[in-house]
Amino acid sequence: DTEVTQTPKHLVMGMTNKKSLKCEQHMGHRAMYWYKQKAKKPPELMFVYSYEKLSINESVPSRFSPECPNSSLLNLHLHALQPEDSALYLCASSQGGRDTYNEQFFGPGTRLTVL
Amino acid sequence: GDSVTQMEGPVTLSEEAFLTINCTYTATGYPSLFWYVQYPGEGLQLLLKATKADDKGSNKGFEATYRKETTSFHLEKGSVQVSDSAVYFCALTEGNFNKFYFGSGTKLNVKP
Repeated sequence: DTEVTQTPKHLVMGMTNKKSLKCEQHMGHRAMYWYKQKAKKPPELMFVYSYEKLSINESVPSRFSPECPNSSLLNLHLHALQPEDSALYLCASSQGGRDTYNEQFFGPGTRLTVL
Repeated sequence: GDSVTQMEGPVTLSEEAFLTINCTYTATGYPSLFWYVQYPGEGLQLLLKATKADDKGSNKGFEATYRKETTSFHLEKGSVQVSDSAVYFCALTEGNFNKFYFGSGTKLNVKP
């Protein structure tokens, strides 16, 4: 199984809502990533978890809260978002560890719209 | 710091034409290099990779050679198809929890 799954596929939320994005992989990978991608732009790294520990936070606003309950799951909790947070949110996974140089496997993304 | 520079798009070609998308990089050490493809409304798919100088990555008729002397990793395909229309991203990692640096992406349009 070389698939990263993400739910939901689409999400529309108001600025006062709380919602969560979910990501799952069963490849035995120990690193998982959240990216934000705006139209016609490359993915921007938000967070990296390695062995279920938050290893990189790219100065992301606190209205985005990541969680890694176990090695297969990654969540992104959303609260009080702004319209400019509307984007495609991508999850990825790879073999874990600080000194790895491996490919990342991407999920299909969640298209988020903030009204 | 690390960075990747890709040629500006869009690139528009006729079917069966030769494709080159240029990619150059800046890195402090010895990165691994990747090409990813993104179809509309989808995530990124790994197209090919190379992990050391002079390695050639290849997949589905696409090729790229890791050139340390020119810090380049240009993507080529001998004969493109309409189904190759997508956005192509060049990327590198130098470790640090496998953090990726992406180029800006190049959109390819192939006309029948």
